[in-house]
Amino acid sequence: DAGITQSPRYKITETGRQVTLMCHQTWSHSYMFWYRQDLGHGLRLIYYSAAADITDKGEVPDGYVVSRSKTENFPLTLESATRSQTSVYFCASSEGTGGAREADTQYFGPGTRLTVL
Amino acid sequence: EDKVVQSPLSLVVHEGDTVTLNCSYEVTNFRSLLWYKQEKKAPTFLFMLTSSGIEKKSGRLSSILDKKELFSILNITATQTGDSAIYLCAVASNNYQLIWGAGTKLIIKP
Repeated sequence: DAGITQSPRYKITETGRQVTLMCHQTWSHSYMFWYRQDLGHGLRLIYYSAAADITDKGEVPDGYVVSRSKTENFPLTLESATRSQTSVYFCASSEGTGGAREADTQYFGPGTRLTVL
Repeated sequence: EDKVVQSPLSLVVHEGDTVTLNCSYEVTNFRSLLWYKQEKKAPTFLFMLTSSGIEKKSGRLSSILDKKELFSILNITATQTGDSAIYLCAVASNNYQLIWGAGTKLIIKP
């Protein structure tokens, strides 16, 4: 039972390069989320997806692109990385359907530590 | 604007002490309040609270929600060094997003 996985776990890149962070979940959860976590800012939502082919912006979407062609995958792309995008990125998923409160619970992947030089 | 405020932002206690962490919220369309623990890795789920006055308990950790006064507390009794972590509070609203507090950094000294 793999749950939710992220790859790579660590990434160093240079300013201006394109970077894609991968997220995969095996629970068939409807909702998936991308967060970044920085000192002093806590968890900030970048993008989320309610289902395959349905995505929406969160609090800090600029500079990021997402897609969700399959329910289990939710990649995050930095089109032209900047130093301000150095952060720890977490992917999360939740059932998010059926109306039950338990469906609100988000489960997190292990995170990707991204450094942009 | 919806918001979740946690206090204190940081707390240092000695092993064996009891601690109380606070979470207050102003969120339209409240569905549930969740507590997470974050050590040097991803947040892990602790509790979900939906009804006022019903305590959730897991070992030395317990939590309760007051929907009238719009807050929740997380209690940890007989603290251990392994309880050192950031404790995050989040509130779910109708669109399945979570509104996160900034967290309380708890340090347990041996």
